[in-house]
Amino acid sequence: DSGVTQTPKHLITATGQRVTLRCSPRSGDLSVYWYQQSLDQGLQFLIHYYNGEERAKGNILERFSAQQFPDLHSELNLSSLELGDSALYFCASSAFLRGDYGYTFGSGTRLTVV
Amino acid sequence: DQQVKQNSPSLSVQEGRISILNCDYTNSMFDYFLWYKKYPAEGPTFLISISSIKDKNEDGRFTVFLNKSAKHLSLHIVPSQPGDSAVYFCAASGGGADGLTFGKGTHLIIQP
Repeated sequence: DSGVTQTPKHLITATGQRVTLRCSPRSGDLSVYWYQQSLDQGLQFLIHYYNGEERAKGNILERFSAQQFPDLHSELNLSSLELGDSALYFCASSAFLRGDYGYTFGSGTRLTVV
Repeated sequence: DQQVKQNSPSLSVQEGRISILNCDYTNSMFDYFLWYKKYPAEGPTFLISISSIKDKNEDGRFTVFLNKSAKHLSLHIVPSQPGDSAVYFCAASGGGADGLTFGKGTHLIIQP
């Protein structure tokens, strides 16, 4: 157990729908990162929150949004889902603002859009 | 445009021998490099890292080498063990709040 909790583990939904993925960081970690791993792809950085504020954006689609709450858990909202959004979505947390020191990943949410 | 490349999708090595995983990058602004290991159905776990001011970092059986002029790094595992069978991701950071940039991974298979 890495200490980073992601729910749900698996999600199957239809095209056009909206889903919310949840992440609870390790105790004391202020940074939460979201990544997407599609088939045969590396991990693609989506967005980074630090202590409730958005700090960096990567290749995140406009249909996707995220937020970090006062208790530091984070949610990734995916809307108007398309078949191509099927992927593993990972959350990672860190005590630091900078990414240099690496971070701890959760076990991911596997999203299947049908 | 892939800024971090792992050109070998898979690598098979005999148990007890050395495993060498390679990674190339194109962005000169990267100044910190990390390796992650991933087992099926789990998230990636941090393995070892190296700052651009160094050319080698060692941690037990794992050593990472950095050649800045060639924009190349490698991970050496000696000796390789069956539990090392996993997907290995190379990642790079330019500092700041941006996320890490990952390669596509190399699937290492340790054969008995």
